[in-house]
Amino acid sequence: QQPVQSPQAVILREGEDAVINCSSSKALYSVHWYRQKHGEAPVFLMILLKGGEQKGHEKISASFNEKKQQSSLYLTASQLSYSGTYFCGTETQTGANNLFFGTGTRLTVIP
Amino acid sequence: SAVISQKPSRDICQRGTSLTIQCQVDSQVTMMFWYRQQPGQSLTLIATANQGSEATYESGFVIDKFPISRPNLTFSTLTVSNMSPEDSSIYLCSVPTSFEQFFGPGTRLTVL
Repeated sequence: QQPVQSPQAVILREGEDAVINCSSSKALYSVHWYRQKHGEAPVFLMILLKGGEQKGHEKISASFNEKKQQSSLYLTASQLSYSGTYFCGTETQTGANNLFFGTGTRLTVIP
Repeated sequence: SAVISQKPSRDICQRGTSLTIQCQVDSQVTMMFWYRQQPGQSLTLIATANQGSEATYESGFVIDKFPISRPNLTFSTLTVSNMSPEDSSIYLCSVPTSFEQFFGPGTRLTVL
């Protein structure tokens, strides 16, 4: 079953903060976060692994509650460039690498 | 990192025909994935393509409709067969690295 994200959409003013949530019905090995701008491929933001390890490219923070199979992405001091659709991608088996993507959250940052 | 190219970037096809999408990676990779993204929707995994073995399909996708080839470690093709308008989507290939997946730019398919 597809992971569910909330909210579906959010509009922010520059500098404001947002939280995007991802919830799965399955036990998870890892959660990935991606951002996709219109007409472009998804771009990796962060991975959170079972056991607490995290790796990411940008100054974005996230959390992973393994027991609840939930993850949250925290966007602080938003910039116009943060606009796009955010997807969580879940991995249920160690080393499987195949991701099941969430329903998506459309984020719009306005001046 | 990985640089991925796809051909064609877009196509408009007639109902009942087939289209083969190519995915080329700039390095050798064991796994490649094919995803479908319907308009305004999330990405759905179609299949995993490993070199030297048959592709593994996810629920709802079958080999007769989406045959996949993986002739070497840098290349894969996905064919969308006997197309209908419901197949209109963006098709993306991706490859995993140590902790992230890189996606190709996608092939935008419109079926009339």
